[in-house]
Amino acid sequence: NAGVMQNPRHLVRRRGQEARLRCSPMKGHSHVYWYRQLPEEGLKFMVYLQKENIIDESGMPKERFSAEFPKEGPSILRIQQVVRGDSAAYFCASSPSRDGNTIYFGEGSWLTVV
Amino acid sequence: SQKIEQNSEALNIQEGKTATLTCNYTNYSPAYLQWYRQDPGRGPVFLLLIRENEKEKRKERLKVTFDTTLKQSLFHITASQPADSATYLCALRNNDMRFGAGTRLTVKP
Repeated sequence: NAGVMQNPRHLVRRRGQEARLRCSPMKGHSHVYWYRQLPEEGLKFMVYLQKENIIDESGMPKERFSAEFPKEGPSILRIQQVVRGDSAAYFCASSPSRDGNTIYFGEGSWLTVV
Repeated sequence: SQKIEQNSEALNIQEGKTATLTCNYTNYSPAYLQWYRQDPGRGPVFLLLIRENEKEKRKERLKVTFDTTLKQSLFHITASQPADSATYLCALRNNDMRFGAGTRLTVKP
């Protein structure tokens, strides 16, 4: 019974390149959440998605960032034209439903922009 | 605006003592509150959930209280051990799940 799977675990990109982070939720979970964590800081909510729908993207930067959760396949967080300030750990979590009490996290994807 | 505040960035205690962490919130009317543990380089792991009609919840050496009047939750670890050293996060759910900044607990042998 696999947990939330994120890949890649570590990603290095040069400034201006694109970063794609993938998240496969736990089996039976249809809700996905993305968070960003800067070194020595807390988890910052970015976006909450259900299959094929964005429920809440209030924490997502207006430019360069996008997220999707297609009917088939993993959820993808896409960062275009990365800058050094995008370097962070990006965590994905999933829950079985909108009212799911608990969300379950993956181990994170560490993005380094050089 | 909605806020979740954990009032200690770091807490250092001696092994065997009780650690008490605080979570305060404003402009939320949560049906429940949760506590997570995060180790360096890892994702957060769920520990306990307490509902608004529950004053106290226990799980092994962990105890959580929830005072909806004070808008505060206390998280206690009794008989603390060095293995309890980690960052502890409280979380509230509105539409989505929001987290406090966390308290980094260090238990010294």
